[in-house]
Amino acid sequence: AQRVTQPEKLLSVFKGAPVELKCNYSYSGSPELFWYVQYSRQRLQLLLRHISRESIKGFTADLNKGETSFHLKKPFAQEEDSAMYYCALSHQGAQKLVFGQGTRLTINP
Amino acid sequence: GAGVSQSPSNKVTEKGKDVELRCDPISGHTALYWYRQSLGQGLEFLIYFQGNSAPDKSGLPSDRFSAERTGGSVSTLTIQRTQQEDSAVYLCASSLKGTGVYTEAFFGQGTRLTVV
Repeated sequence: AQRVTQPEKLLSVFKGAPVELKCNYSYSGSPELFWYVQYSRQRLQLLLRHISRESIKGFTADLNKGETSFHLKKPFAQEEDSAMYYCALSHQGAQKLVFGQGTRLTINP
Repeated sequence: GAGVSQSPSNKVTEKGKDVELRCDPISGHTALYWYRQSLGQGLEFLIYFQGNSAPDKSGLPSDRFSAERTGGSVSTLTIQRTQQEDSAVYLCASSLKGTGVYTEAFFGQGTRLTVV
């Protein structure tokens, strides 16, 4: 069965510090992994997907199949990064996203 | 409309009553999803529609929950005989096809259901 684990419910860092939000998954095939973000009073929206190998708002995430991880990283946190972050997994046959429990990131000034 | 629209935004209902939650997906999106967001529980998948059919309804927690989609567009999630544990934010999402690698799911603003 597919499962996504985000071990940290809350994460607080200071502005300018590096930030890493952890995500581990369990899936036997080739997963498709995503990070979604929900800013205060806004809708859940896609931040980035592993296949694109893109950097969005300074965030990157690398899929590590050996460690079954897809951690989200940013070298210098900004106050506007404060939000709820969800890691999600899908695969071609599933037609649905399986989400982790989410991590609430707070950037302190 | 520009995005996925859900109504009502908030719903307070008495235990035992039935409720209907509505979702208007983005025009042209064939895939539609319902999720439930409970405090501390993350997003829980409920049901997936492709067109008007629901090939995956594995997440519906009990037979009190049902959903339908008509005309390949609007979807309604119905909860019968509501219980306090049904209190949550119900999110709807749509995507052009399924949730393939290059297909983004767009979410509505959610319906906050409170059962008192």
